[in-house]
Amino acid sequence: QVQLVQSGSELKKPGASVKVSCKASGYTFSSCGMNWVRQAPGQGLEWMGWINTNTGNPTYAQGFTGRFVFSLDTSVSTAYLQISSLKAEDTAVYYCARQAAAPGEFDFWGQGTLVTVSS
Amino acid sequence: QSALTQPASVSGSPGQSITISCTGTSSDVGGYNYVSWYQHHPGKAPKLMIYEVSNRPSGVSNRFSGSKTGNTASLTISGLQAEDEADYYCSSYTSSSTHVFGTGTKVTVL
Repeated sequence: QVQLVQSGSELKKPGASVKVSCKASGYTFSSCGMNWVRQAPGQGLEWMGWINTNTGNPTYAQGFTGRFVFSLDTSVSTAYLQISSLKAEDTAVYYCARQAAAPGEFDFWGQGTLVTVSS
Repeated sequence: QSALTQPASVSGSPGQSITISCTGTSSDVGGYNYVSWYQHHPGKAPKLMIYEVSNRPSGVSNRFSGSKTGNTASLTISGLQAEDEADYYCSSYTSSSTHVFGTGTKVTVL
């Protein structure tokens, strides 16, 4: 069965970096793109962008360029989200979500990773 | 890209039907039949309920249905049940080859 398992919660200081992982299983990793979605405390879901797991080409939404990097390690079927120069406003739950056949068809999601940025 | 507009809250009694709207523009909702709906219980992963405007994934109850007219998509939940109480988000593909979520709607079962 398809599963996306994310890394655990992180507590970071402002200015630090964090790398969240999303390990996929139960399907051919390169057959489906991987999206990243953010939910800040008390806020709604926000699409951050996606990475083509076949080519490694990332696409970032407005507001998620510069400090945010999507990457892959296809040898272990894992997608990564790295955030650098962390700010308090980066505190959020970050989800990975598999892109199925149709655009916007995010059919399987990771359990979410809480990243807390606090001094 | 601005978030799609949803009502902040919708409520209904068990057994009733409710409809959640999702309003965008001709550059997203109105321009593509790639509207999806997600159910999100706090603390859990969002769940895909509808894709491509009106298609239900395997395993999703047929009490959930989707439609679209112009720039507004809708999710209808019929035969409302206590377990339907959750946050619901629409999303759409956009002319920029990106995706955008709605503002979210809290569904309360009275």
